[in-house]
Amino acid sequence: GAVVSQHPSWVICKSGTSVKIECRSLDFQATTMFWYRQFPKQSLMLMATSNEGSKATYEQGVEKDKFLINHASLTLSTLTVTSAHPEDSSFYICSARKRARSSNEQFFGPGTRLTVL
Amino acid sequence: AQSVTQLDSQVPVFEEAPVELRCNYSSSVSVYLFWYVQYPNQGLQLLLKYLSGSTLVESINGFEAEFNKSQTSFHLRKPSVHISDTAEYFCAVSPTGGGNKLTFGTGTQLKVEL
Repeated sequence: GAVVSQHPSWVICKSGTSVKIECRSLDFQATTMFWYRQFPKQSLMLMATSNEGSKATYEQGVEKDKFLINHASLTLSTLTVTSAHPEDSSFYICSARKRARSSNEQFFGPGTRLTVL
Repeated sequence: AQSVTQLDSQVPVFEEAPVELRCNYSSSVSVYLFWYVQYPNQGLQLLLKYLSGSTLVESINGFEAEFNKSQTSFHLRKPSVHISDTAEYFCAVSPTGGGNKLTFGTGTQLKVEL
């Protein structure tokens, strides 16, 4: 199998606080993990790509100081939304790519819905 | 760079009727192609993919898609839909040469009605 989990599944926080979202590959090692953001009725927009043991690569327009990504192990990546504001409210989805696979297939987590009040 | 176009934002269809969800892509390099399905408040699930070989690929729940290189299309079809097929469907591409990035279309909401 190729199961990816995310925690929490939903979170509500006050403006100005920081929120950490975890993404885990449960039954495989993931050398690369991806973080996406999805607004209502829109497609997924890639925010950043993280490789185990190295700094994340952010897409253009994504603030790396606001969206901190850590990929400390082959099964865990975290996204921290720092000083969250209402405009950061969104559905955040992670995905993981298996080690040593050439198909570019990504396995997606169930998503985390963030609401900032 | 790649781009994916899903012209239909919504497709209503009656149960047991056939359906086609259109997907066209643009890319300067060869790509792998994917269809993902997203049920409400859930993440994406891979429906089917084209990597190489036969241009017609099938899923376990009756969907199929055909890669047409000349028309740069990867339309998704099902001959008879079920209520449970109601979901958002995303077409995506990824370059075969590495880089891992998926580029998604804007999605098509399939609504199956009785």
